[in-house]
Amino acid sequence: AQSVTQPDIHITVSEGASLELRCNYSYGATPYLFWYVQSPGQGLQLLLKYFSGDTLVQGIKGFEAEFKRSQSSFNLRKPSVHWSDAAEYFCAVAASGGSYIPTFGRGTSLIVHP
Amino acid sequence: NAGVTQTPKFQVLKTGQSMTLQCAQDMNHEYMSWYRQDPGMGLRLIHYSVGAGITDQGEVPNGYNVSRSTTEDFPLRLLSAAPSQTSVYFCASSYQGTGPDSPLHFGNGTRLTVT
Repeated sequence: AQSVTQPDIHITVSEGASLELRCNYSYGATPYLFWYVQSPGQGLQLLLKYFSGDTLVQGIKGFEAEFKRSQSSFNLRKPSVHWSDAAEYFCAVAASGGSYIPTFGRGTSLIVHP
Repeated sequence: NAGVTQTPKFQVLKTGQSMTLQCAQDMNHEYMSWYRQDPGMGLRLIHYSVGAGITDQGEVPNGYNVSRSTTEDFPLRLLSAAPSQTSVYFCASSYQGTGPDSPLHFGNGTRLTVT
């Protein structure tokens, strides 16, 4: 079975600074990988996804993520954070063969200081 | 296009009471699922359905029942609520599992408190 680890519970950055949120996964083959964002009081919204091909994927709101097979990682990055990026971020992994049902990490809360 | 609609948004129950959390989607999605979100635990899958008439258990199914009589609706039933079921519940749907072209669409959640 697949699993996901998000090692940082909280991340605090200043507005305009760069951001990297860490995600490590466990799965025997090449997985499907996702990042979702949850604004307060809302459901989750897909930021980006990786299935195959180019290991650097672009998403909405200026986010990108890089799949590194050797490190079993799929870190989320943004070059310049805006105050509106403050939210909860979830990494998810799904098996590339079978039901595709994703397993979510525990989430990282992003705090943005002015 | 309403997407995934969950009702109610908030609910308070006493221990032992029963209730149904409603979930409806208007995107003709085959796959629907229920998650619960607890602080520090992320989202955990309760039950899911790959089509009308088909349901299966997820990671934490105990204390919950589901049915899928139509493509649009996927209600979650608590037969005898317990304080451990205090949580935020999310319904999610996708066109076909969560394969390459089928990311999950989430509702806005139901916040349930059991006293």
